[in-house]
Amino acid sequence: DVKVTQSSRYLVKRTGEKVFLECVQDMDHENMFWYRQDPGLGLRLIYFSYDVKMKEKGDIPEGYSVSREKKERFSLILESASTNQTSMYLCASSPMMTGGGYTFGSGTRLTVV
Amino acid sequence: ILNVEQSPQSLHVQEGDSTNFTCSFPSSNFYALHWYRWETAKSPEALFVMTLNGDEKKKGRISATLNTKEGYSYLYIKGSQPEDSATYLCAFSSGTYKYIFGTGTRLKVLA
Repeated sequence: DVKVTQSSRYLVKRTGEKVFLECVQDMDHENMFWYRQDPGLGLRLIYFSYDVKMKEKGDIPEGYSVSREKKERFSLILESASTNQTSMYLCASSPMMTGGGYTFGSGTRLTVV
Repeated sequence: ILNVEQSPQSLHVQEGDSTNFTCSFPSSNFYALHWYRWETAKSPEALFVMTLNGDEKKKGRISATLNTKEGYSYLYIKGSQPEDSATYLCAFSSGTYKYIFGTGTRLKVLA
């Protein structure tokens, strides 16, 4: 069964902490994405990567960075967590840039206190 | 600004009822429309990828139609069951990496 695995289901962090959200896929997909989901809003793209060490900003990159050192792993980094980054974070991967559809992880619910 | 809207935002139906919801999207620069089902504590699961105007897709009791000229897609569930309870998301693609997601329709099927 193909999988996108996110390292934590629930996470509670303090304001100002550096936070790492990890995502691993086992499908050899080129593309990986980080989204956040907030009540009343659609999934919003934070960053995506189309190859190892390649990354592009999505719609809401402020306060975030990413790392893709290996094809299967895409990390989202909150440099200094703030309460407005409390959200559900979803990682996804796809085999092609367009039209291929996503395979999602099960999400990480991050609470920043 | 491209916008994808889903309606209704939420609904409750009785077990056995049939139901449908709508995804509205820009009618220009259409490439594909995706439907996902997202159950609580699980990963969003792909239901359909729709690319051609007039497309109809079916998976068990769930089906979807596509009208790219007027910019909408319908998702139908026939004979709803409690296990159909989930949030149903649509995502519009204009052919770039960037999918635009709707806010979802949250369905609750009451036993």
